[in-house]
Amino acid sequence: QQQVKQSPQSLIVQKGGISIINCAYENTAFDYFPWYQQFPGKGPALLIAIRPDVSEKKEGRFTISFNKSAKQFSLHIMDSQPGDSATYFCAASFLHSNYQLIWGAGTKLIIKP
Amino acid sequence: EAQVTQNPRYLITVTGKKLTVTCSQNMNHEYMSWYRQDPGLGLRQIYYSMNVEVTDKGDVPEGYKVSRKEKRNFPLILESPSPNQTSLYFCASSFRGPPNYGYTFGSGTRLTVV
Repeated sequence: QQQVKQSPQSLIVQKGGISIINCAYENTAFDYFPWYQQFPGKGPALLIAIRPDVSEKKEGRFTISFNKSAKQFSLHIMDSQPGDSATYFCAASFLHSNYQLIWGAGTKLIIKP
Repeated sequence: EAQVTQNPRYLITVTGKKLTVTCSQNMNHEYMSWYRQDPGLGLRQIYYSMNVEVTDKGDVPEGYKVSRKEKRNFPLILESPSPNQTSLYFCASSFRGPPNYGYTFGSGTRLTVV
C-alpha cells in the first residue's frame, strides 16, 4: 500500500513532442506528490510538486496532472527538448510518515533531435 | 554556493572492511537523509535525521549506521560491507523536509564491494 508505481520504465520522444510519465498510488493518505529530475552523474533535483487539492499544476513546459479518484498523477513535458533527456522520478508522502518520500522506480526519458 | 558535498565520489572496497561516506551541507538544513539507488528499484531511504542527535531508520537500514553530531554533517558508516551493498548512494538535505521544502541532493557516491 506504500508503493508508487511508475511507468513507463523508458521513453523515447521526438524533439518538440509531448512526453508523458505516469504514476499510480494506493495509499489515500498521501498528500504531497513531487517529481524529481536526474541527469547522469548528478543527484535528483526537485522539478515540480502538487498537493491533492488541485488537479493540475504548470511550471513552464512541465505540468503535473492529478486524478484523485483514480489515484494517479502524471508529468507532461510539452515541446520536449534534447536537454530534457534525464531520468524522472515521481514520489509521494504524507504527514504521518514525517513526510518521508516513497519513490517510483524512475523513467529514463530520451528526446531525439 | 549552496550544496551537499559527498566524499568520496567513487569507492571500491573489500568485503568486511569498514568504511565511511561523508556528507556535508552548507545551507543550515535541519533535515538530512541517505538513499541508495539501484536499477529498477528507484531511491530507497536508508536513514534520515530530523535534527542534531535525532536519527531514524528508513526502508533499508540493515548494515548501515549514521550519526548526526553536528547540523552540517551526516556520515554513513558501513561497519562490515558486503557485496549486496554495492550501489549508488546519495545524501540529501532539506530545510525542514517536504512538503514545503524540497530535497537538495549530493552528486552521489558509487560504492563497489568485492
